[in-house]
Parts: sequence; C-alpha cells; structure tokens
Amino acid sequence: AQSVSQHNHHVILSEAASLELGCNYSYGGTVNLFWYVQYPGQHLQLLLKYFSGDPLVKGIKGFEAEFIKSKFSFNLRKPSVQWSDTAEYFCAPPQSLIFGKGTKLSVKP
Amino acid sequence: GAVVSQHPSRVICKSGTSVKIECRSLDFQATTMFWYRQFPKQSLMLMATSNEGSKATYEQGVEKDKFLINHASLTLSTLTVTSAHPEDSSFYICSARDPGGTEAFFGQGTRLTVV
Repeated sequence: AQSVSQHNHHVILSEAASLELGCNYSYGGTVNLFWYVQYPGQHLQLLLKYFSGDPLVKGIKGFEAEFIKSKFSFNLRKPSVQWSDTAEYFCAPPQSLIFGKGTKLSVKP
Repeated sequence: GAVVSQHPSRVICKSGTSVKIECRSLDFQATTMFWYRQFPKQSLMLMATSNEGSKATYEQGVEKDKFLINHASLTLSTLTVTSAHPEDSSFYICSARDPGGTEAFFGQGTRLTVV
C-alpha cells in the first residue's frame, strides 16, 4: 500500500529562517507526490506536485521540493519563511490521497 | 482552480440522530470523491473513496453502516453519519479529483458536534 511519513510534527522558525520539511514514501513503482498546505481556517490547497521529469519542483509562494529516489524522499523547502507561511503542511501521493501526519509550521514574526 | 463546496460547515446534533453532509464539485464533474476525518492536532484520515454510480470503498476500520456514502451524480457525494454518538464528533472533509485525475480539490470541511 502507498504510504508516506512526515517526521517533523511541529516546526517553529523565526522569519527569514530556511525551511525543510521531510516527507518519505515507502512504495515502489511510479511515484507521484504532492504537498498540500492548510492555512488556519482555510481549505487544504495544493502547494506543488511531482509526477516525473525534473526532480526539483517549484510551487507557489516560493516553495520547492526535491524528489530524491535514492532516499525515498520528497522534502519541502523554502529559503526564507514568512509569518504568513504559518500553516499545516501535508504530503500525499495523488493516487490514494492518503496523507502523512502533517507538519505544523509556526513562524514567529 | 476548481471549487468543491461542502455543506454544512457546522452542525450540532443530538446523540442517536443522523446527519448528512454534502460535497459538491461546482465547476467540474468528479467521478471520484474522498471523505476524510480529522481529529484535533492530527492528520487527515481517509475514510472512504466515493465512486459515482458504484459502492464506496471504505478504509480498514471504518464502519460502512455507520458512515453511509452516496455518490449518485457526478457533482454530488453525501456522507451520512447514522445514529451519531459523541465520539463521532470531528471535522469531516471531502475532496474531489479534477477531470484529469491528478489534483484534488478540498471542501471547507464540516465540524460535527454530537451532544
């Protein structure tokens, strides 16, 4: 079965700090992965997606993620976070939409 | 992007009654919709996959008779929590895949409180 895991449950950063949130997958075959974000009081929305091709994927709001097959990872990154990035972030394969546990990001102004 | 509307956003019901939650894709047809439950400070847990015109596929541990799913049209799926109990109180979220079958769009969620 397709599954993903997110090991960082709560990350607290100051503004302008760099961010990396981990996502590991544990299934074979074709690997497609999405990152979703849920801002406080809002719907989940797609941040970025990887299907194939360039393993470095750029998403909205300055986020990017790199698919590293050898590490079974698809970590989310942002060079400089802002207070408005405070949200919960979820990793999931689109086929099953079974989510990792989510990582809550709190950015201190 | 596409819009998924979920209704109601909040509902309070008495123990033993049933509650229906609707999930509509407003500007696209969704052959597949997903229902999730989210406990406080936890991730979304997939409850079931709703397929238009056929029976829903439930995840392990989810009671089919308790959480009735109907996907009678390409734009509407409903989740009925039957004989609700306080432990069913939770945040329920639906999503629908776009026609290309890749990106999923989420409803705003329904906060169910059973008293």
